[in-house]
Amino acid sequence: GENVEQHPSTLSVQEGDSAVIKCTYSDSASNYFPWYKQELGKRPQLIIDIRSNVGEKKDQRIAVTLNKTAKHFSLHITETQPEDSAVYFCAASKTGFQKLVFGTGTRLLVSP
Amino acid sequence: NAGVTQTPKFRVLKTGQSMTLLCAQDMNHEYMYWYRQDPGMGLRLIHYSVGEGTTAKGEVPDGYNVSRLKKQNFLLGLESAAPSQTSVYFCASTTTGALNQPQHFGDGTRLSIL
Repeated sequence: GENVEQHPSTLSVQEGDSAVIKCTYSDSASNYFPWYKQELGKRPQLIIDIRSNVGEKKDQRIAVTLNKTAKHFSLHITETQPEDSAVYFCAASKTGFQKLVFGTGTRLLVSP
Repeated sequence: NAGVTQTPKFRVLKTGQSMTLLCAQDMNHEYMYWYRQDPGMGLRLIHYSVGEGTTAKGEVPDGYNVSRLKKQNFLLGLESAAPSQTSVYFCASTTTGALNQPQHFGDGTRLSIL
């Protein structure tokens, strides 16, 4: 079955710096890759997603890139702010029952 | 719209007790999922349902049962709770379509088994 690996497990940056989180997946049939942000004690919330027919997608300070050949995708956050501090999860799924396989999460800490 | 609602929010059980977690969604979604979240392991799929009256096993189904008697509700049962089932449980739902759609999560149920 699908396996999603996520790195790094923790990431500390200064406010205003950029942050990059990387994920790799194993199943070449996966075609949908969402990213979720989870604040302490809260539900995971979708922040951006990308489909396999697109190489890059942006939404203000957040962008995601996908390399299907290498089977990896990355989350890029620019001009980080303290409120970006949270745990970020990548996930992958394929068409059908839409079962998500999650990475193990990255704890991002943005220091003022 | 309430979205996805989970009850209860917190529960403490003794080993061997049983309980049922309820997930309700008001978005008319066909697909519903139960995940557990443990430290350092992300979210793992327990069971899922692709429609009323259907259920299927996910990645970690042992020790759990589910039912989907009504489209809007998805129940997760623990027949004989074990300490290894201490976790945070999240329910999610999504709609169907030619393309995968985002899953919407509930607020979670924090369950402790003593």
